[in-house]
Amino acid sequence: SQQGEEDPQALSIQEGENATMNCSYKTSINNLQWYRQNSGRGLVHLILIRSNEREKHSGRLRVTLDTSKKSSSLLITASRAADTASYFCATGSFMDTGRRALTFGSGTRLQVQP
Amino acid sequence: EAQVTQNPRYLITVTGKKLTVTCSQNMNHEYMSWYRQDPGLGLRQIYYSMNVEVTDKGDVPEGYKVSRKEKRNFPLILESPSPNQTSLYFCASSFTGTGTEAFFGQGTRLTVV
Repeated sequence: SQQGEEDPQALSIQEGENATMNCSYKTSINNLQWYRQNSGRGLVHLILIRSNEREKHSGRLRVTLDTSKKSSSLLITASRAADTASYFCATGSFMDTGRRALTFGSGTRLQVQP
Repeated sequence: EAQVTQNPRYLITVTGKKLTVTCSQNMNHEYMSWYRQDPGLGLRQIYYSMNVEVTDKGDVPEGYKVSRKEKRNFPLILESPSPNQTSLYFCASSFTGTGTEAFFGQGTRLTVV
């Protein structure tokens, strides 16, 4: 079952602009992660934010987490054409069955125009 | 270099012909999993393994089998592939499954005709 849902599904911006992607989820989580996927390639981990954290930075990336609203956002500042990719949020949770799993949303396709 | 290696990258097969997609990681990770990615559906977990000889179903396990005889390898087996298993498959590994970053293979694009 899909836990995270990204918004928007697609985003097109000009180089130098900021890109903001949002993720909403349904159940309680231990952490939330963001991944990037270049077309048809494997996913690459960008950043992990734990449930007791509200904001985290990594280079041009800024992630926020609001557990009361069950939502997260990924901000890419000063975007570059090379940032063109799909971005996924993934929630990590322990389920009643004992299963540990990362559950992914369907992603936001970001196009950065040079 | 830390990596997850999947083979083959591309595979076209016929309905009913058994196939295996291999996955190997060199990071001594305990947790490994398989996902399939379909347009509009994101990534869905097929099976996962928390350690050697410990495997369990994910969200979409029907039609798939896995084994974990060694820590580094986690093959995905399709005993009798059907066209609805045409998809992009990813193997991933991590230390804990949820609390640390996952490393993904480059993917296997499978077409079943």
